[in-house]
Amino acid sequence: QKEVEQDPGPLSVPEGAIVSLNCTYSNSAFQYFMWYRQYSRKGPELLMYTYSSGNKEDGRFTAQVDKSSKYISLFIRDSQPSDSATYLCAINGVDSSYKLIFGSGTRLLVRP
Amino acid sequence: EPEVTQTPSHQVTQMGQEVILRCVPISNHLYFYWYRQILGQKVEFLVSFYNNEISEKSEIFDDQFSVERPDGSNFTLKIRSTKLEDSAMYFCASSEAIAYEQYFGPGTRLTVT
Repeated sequence: QKEVEQDPGPLSVPEGAIVSLNCTYSNSAFQYFMWYRQYSRKGPELLMYTYSSGNKEDGRFTAQVDKSSKYISLFIRDSQPSDSATYLCAINGVDSSYKLIFGSGTRLLVRP
Repeated sequence: EPEVTQTPSHQVTQMGQEVILRCVPISNHLYFYWYRQILGQKVEFLVSFYNNEISEKSEIFDDQFSVERPDGSNFTLKIRSTKLEDSAMYFCASSEAIAYEQYFGPGTRLTVT
C-alpha cells in the first residue's frame, strides 16, 4: 500500500470555481500535513501546513485534515487561471522521521 | 522574503563525471534537505542534515552521494560518478527547526548524457 495516494488529474475547472484536491494516507501515526504548489519545472512552493484535525484557512485556500479517515484536502475558492499548477500533498512526522513523503500531485487547469 | 537559492539552474554532465549541486538555505534555518524529482515522477527524499551531520537518508542516497556544509551559508550535494538514471530535478529545502515547514529552492536540473 502506498503511503500517500493522490489523484493525478488533470482537473479542469472554469475560473471562479471552487476546487477540491484530496489525498489519502496509510499510516495514522503521521502528524504533519502540507500542501505545495508546483509550476512546471519549478520548486514546490509551500501553501499550507497543518498538524491537527480540522480546518485551516489562508486567503482563498483552506486545508482540511481528517485523521480518523486518514484524508486531507485542499480547497481553493474563486479559482484563478494563475492557480493552474500541480498541487502536491506531503506528510511527515512518524517514527521520528521528518522527511516529507509526497503524493504524486494533481494537475489543475483553471480555464479563463 | 527570505528564500532558498540553488545553483546552477541546469547542469549537463557526462556519465561517470562528478557533479556538485549548491544551495544557500534560508539564513536562520538549521535543518537542510535534498530531494529529487525524476521527470513525471514524485518528489523523493534523499537526505536530511543537521548540526554538520546526516540525520536521515533514503535508500537512494548510496555511497556515490555525499553532502557537506562547507561554510556558514552553503549546503552542497555531490554525486561522485553520475549515471544516466541520476538525471532529475534536485531540490534543496530548509527548515527552521525539526517538524517545522520545509521551504524549497527552485531546483537544479541535472542532465546526465
